[in-house]
Amino acid sequence: DTAVSQTPKYLVTQMGNDKSIKCEQNLGHDTMYWYKQDSKKFLKIMFSYNNKELIINETVPNRFSPKSPDKAHLNLHINSLELGDSAVYFCASSLSTGSYNEQFFGPGTRLTVL
Amino acid sequence: GQNIDQPTEMTATEGAIVQINCTYQTSGFNGLFWYQQHAGEAPTFLSYNVLDGLEEKGRFSSFLSRSKGYSYLLLKELQMKDSASYLCAVANAGKSTFGDGTTLTVKP
Repeated sequence: DTAVSQTPKYLVTQMGNDKSIKCEQNLGHDTMYWYKQDSKKFLKIMFSYNNKELIINETVPNRFSPKSPDKAHLNLHINSLELGDSAVYFCASSLSTGSYNEQFFGPGTRLTVL
Repeated sequence: GQNIDQPTEMTATEGAIVQINCTYQTSGFNGLFWYQQHAGEAPTFLSYNVLDGLEEKGRFSSFLSRSKGYSYLLLKELQMKDSASYLCAVANAGKSTFGDGTTLTVKP
């Protein structure tokens, strides 16, 4: 069974469209994250949720809206897609918000905006 | 602010030992992670250091000096499959800030 899963794996879309990426973890973790990894491989945190509550929002444009219907799911909706949004988006989870907790990453969603 | 530095690229020979350094200047510190990321794949956890010293785990070891803001990942008996990016991440207040990663190429 996949611990952290994301759909879709690849997403190609036109500028201006709205798209969503879904993430699910079956590890029973309380905390989930969204990261963006650009073409230079820089992995940057976007959001973190703990038990469905937003705890980290790293000055991400408000075109990006995360939603956590329950602690096992954290979805990412992106409005009015721009060329600069092209990247790989990783979902991750950890047992709790404690800094000592390793993060388990999903396989990533490669978003290409044309 | 957060500043985490790692070399961009390194090359080593199969069977050799390589040390990947990471220096950091951060506003807070709860621990330091190392992750491995193969091309096109997700990062996977390698190690976590919170106290000064060396943590050994098989062929991989990680060292931390909090006073110097310095860590390294030591890979022994290199194998071709160790070719990957190695990400250093500083944990603080429930958040991990990642360095840019070091791309290691292992040659026969």
